[in-house]
Amino acid sequence: DAGVTQSPTHLIKTRGQQVTLRCSPKSGHDTVSWYQQALGQGPQFIFQYYEEEERQRGNFPDRFSGHQFPNYSSELNVNALLLGDSALYLCASSAAGGGYTFGSGTRLTVV
Amino acid sequence: DAKTTQPPSMDCAEGRAANLPCNHSTISGNEYVYWYRQIHSQGPQYIIHGLKNNETNEMASLIITEDRKSSTLILPHATLRDTAVYYCIVRDLTGFQKLVFGTGTRLLVSP
Repeated sequence: DAGVTQSPTHLIKTRGQQVTLRCSPKSGHDTVSWYQQALGQGPQFIFQYYEEEERQRGNFPDRFSGHQFPNYSSELNVNALLLGDSALYLCASSAAGGGYTFGSGTRLTVV
Repeated sequence: DAKTTQPPSMDCAEGRAANLPCNHSTISGNEYVYWYRQIHSQGPQYIIHGLKNNETNEMASLIITEDRKSSTLILPHATLRDTAVYYCIVRDLTGFQKLVFGTGTRLLVSP
């Protein structure tokens, strides 16, 4: 049974560009959450998607947006990239009342 | 903000028990205590969770004090592969409550 799959694993972008990260949830999970983890810090909650709607959102600017598809997979989009957006982006899937399963993340470097 | 307090780092000798403390003095009655760990550059991995009784699984034991204001994660026979950052999180299982990470405890297991 596949766990959470994220793509790509690594990405290098230039300031001002836009990026799209992808996540396929664990089988049986219908909720996807995205986290940003800067070096040496704990993961910070970006937002959560359920039934193709953004359910909760953390303290991140509108440059960060997302989408959930009918098959529960999800995308994270970041516009107008800043150097400070360089981080490990983690996707976690879950189902109601259950635990979270994390993917291995996408390492984004903005130069 | 995270509702837990953990020491920033701990050391443990290989083969010995690792006892990782966590304070959660403001925990409410319907919040569970969760432990995750994150090995370098990977996604967080679920270890164990509990409400008020002690719990044990194949990875670890969780001891929660009677007043539920603190807990201890015990790795009974630490190995080098247990070197990781360990996060203690309190979470309400109703709805889709997000995980709020603190900075965790960096455990170093040495030969």
